[in-house]
Amino acid sequence: EPEVTQTPSHQVTQMGQEVILRCVPISNHLYFYWYRQILGQKVEFLVSFYNNEISEKSEIFDDQFSVERPDGSNFTLKIRSTKLEDSAMYFCASSGTGVEQYFGPGTRLTVT
Amino acid sequence: GQQLNQSPQSMFIQEGEDVSMNCTSSSIFNTWLWYKQDPGEGPVLLIALYKAGELTSNGRLTAQFGITRKDSFLNISASIPSDVGIYFCAGQSQGGSEKLVFGKGTKLTVNP
Repeated sequence: EPEVTQTPSHQVTQMGQEVILRCVPISNHLYFYWYRQILGQKVEFLVSFYNNEISEKSEIFDDQFSVERPDGSNFTLKIRSTKLEDSAMYFCASSGTGVEQYFGPGTRLTVT
Repeated sequence: GQQLNQSPQSMFIQEGEDVSMNCTSSSIFNTWLWYKQDPGEGPVLLIALYKAGELTSNGRLTAQFGITRKDSFLNISASIPSDVGIYFCAGQSQGGSEKLVFGKGTKLTVNP
């Protein structure tokens, strides 16, 4: 069964550093998303991406964040200058219809 | 912003018992989805509901989309130890927004 994959599984970085989180969505899906989950809390929407552009973003997704689909298979989330409060699990999701969204296993980002 | 109130926050049950959890919202949702999350993993889609009043089953799981479109419930029948995890409801609102708004989750513990 097709799956969303994410790398790395765990990323430790120092405050102020740039990080890139990578995702390979399910191959025939057209809608892509990033969510985050601070430890013990609910999943929060960051951004959605369709037809090579951002379709919606949340207040969390400020100028420090960017997304890119550099080729036909990868979808990346970049945080330019990480802050302590960026520490969280980051989930990539994809959808064929924009409704049923399938999540990857997540990247745990730890900012020290 | 939109919020989903999910209850109960946690449940401790014996193997074989039935379980019920629900989500309510002050605003209308077009779609309700239920996810299960195991520790350190991404949310796994269990059931998607598309129409008010819809009742859908997936094995021992049954979910309903409330008539008012402001609530949904999930039932698990004859629970087994592998049902342990956190169950999240998620909704998509009107207006074509694809983002999922998540509840805070119900943590289920099943005692063998």
